[in-house]
Amino acid sequence: SQQGEEDPQALSIQEGENATMNCSYKTSINNLQWYRQNSGRGLVHLILIRSNEREKHSGRLRVTLDTSKKSSSLLITASRAADTASYFCATDEDRGSTLGRLYFGRGTQLTVWP
Amino acid sequence: NAGVTQTPKFQVLKTGQSMTLQCAQDMNHEYMSWYRQDPGMGLRLIHYSVGAGITDQGEVPNGYNVSRSTTEDFPLRLLSAAPSQTSVYFCASSYSPGGNNSPLHFGNGTRLTVT
Repeated sequence: SQQGEEDPQALSIQEGENATMNCSYKTSINNLQWYRQNSGRGLVHLILIRSNEREKHSGRLRVTLDTSKKSSSLLITASRAADTASYFCATDEDRGSTLGRLYFGRGTQLTVWP
Repeated sequence: NAGVTQTPKFQVLKTGQSMTLQCAQDMNHEYMSWYRQDPGMGLRLIHYSVGAGITDQGEVPNGYNVSRSTTEDFPLRLLSAAPSQTSVYFCASSYSPGGNNSPLHFGNGTRLTVT
């Protein structure tokens, strides 16, 4: 069964606005990752946050992780038309070992209008 | 570096035919995996490998076989194609032996249609 679930399924905003996407998961995790997929392309890694971290930044991206609520959020500030893509969160199962599987959610489709 | 290379990019099969989707990476990654992406379903893990000679099943392994004879290559075999296997297939690799502690690098996908 899938681990992460993104919300909302679709988000439409104007350039310059901030975009926030959320991810909820079911079991304990070692880390959570966010990926981006442009239409017709493979996924590209954006950021990884470990279970002992609460917030991480990378350029215009800000990721938070709340393990007590089993949720994460991805904030894209000052969005651009080029940010239009699908965004996925991915989580691993905490099996107590390094051998894990990475499960993806269904994604959020972000459209940024010029 | 080419990264992760998948071939072919497009393929049409008839029900019952077999084929192999190729995946190669030149980053010396130990971990490799196959996902399928269907509308509304996101990505689902088919099979994965944590090193040469080691493979394991993911969420949706039925109808697919894999092998890992070298670090570089991780082919996915469809033994008898079914319309339910119509999908976009992605291969991904990672430096992390467990595949979960470092980013996955994805290929550009193979779009498969089974009629």
